[in-house]
Amino acid sequence: EAQVTQNPRYLITVTGKKLTVTCSQNMNHEYMSWYRQDPGLGLRQIYYSMNVEVTDKGDVPEGYKVSRKEKRNFPLILESPSPNQTSLYFCASTTLGGTQYFGPGTRLTVL
Amino acid sequence: DQQVKQNSPSLSVQEGRISILNCDYTNSMFDYFLWYKKYPAEGPTFLISISSIKDKNEDGRFTVFLNKSAKHLSLHIVPSQPGDSAVYFCAASGASGTYKYIFGTGTRLKVLA
Repeated sequence: EAQVTQNPRYLITVTGKKLTVTCSQNMNHEYMSWYRQDPGLGLRQIYYSMNVEVTDKGDVPEGYKVSRKEKRNFPLILESPSPNQTSLYFCASTTLGGTQYFGPGTRLTVL
Repeated sequence: DQQVKQNSPSLSVQEGRISILNCDYTNSMFDYFLWYKKYPAEGPTFLISISSIKDKNEDGRFTVFLNKSAKHLSLHIVPSQPGDSAVYFCAASGASGTYKYIFGTGTRLKVLA
């Protein structure tokens, strides 16, 4: 079954404690991206990757890092989380035709 | 600066009637538009898309219309069903191959039985 998986689904952490949210896809897509969803703001793109070792900033990259060492995985790293990064995060994998498949989401709370 | 706008945060429609969700954009470089549906506690799922070379695309009960001169697109759902109750996002991307997407803020559709 074609899917995008994210872990963890829920995470509560404290300010400054580094964390990683993993994302994996089994569709062999080259393009992947991360979004955050906040009330009244819709989905905003954080980072995207067009292939292994190729990443670029989206609209709201501050405070985030990503890596793309393998085609299937695209982890999102928060080196020093802050309360304003409390949000719902989605990873997406995109076909060559431009259709995105989203993961189930990770709800992050930073205290 | 919101480049993609969904001005109606919510919409209620009677079952069996037509639902029309609207989306406006400001960037004339956008050339590919998509609609996604999102249920609570799930990721958005792709619904339908349209390229700027078309003005209409149909898939079963779902039709997307694109008016490039007005920079406006709409999603029509006919007939509406209770299972269509969800949040709908429109998204736009510009210049084929960039894969950079701008999403609207979403419209919550409630279909009343």
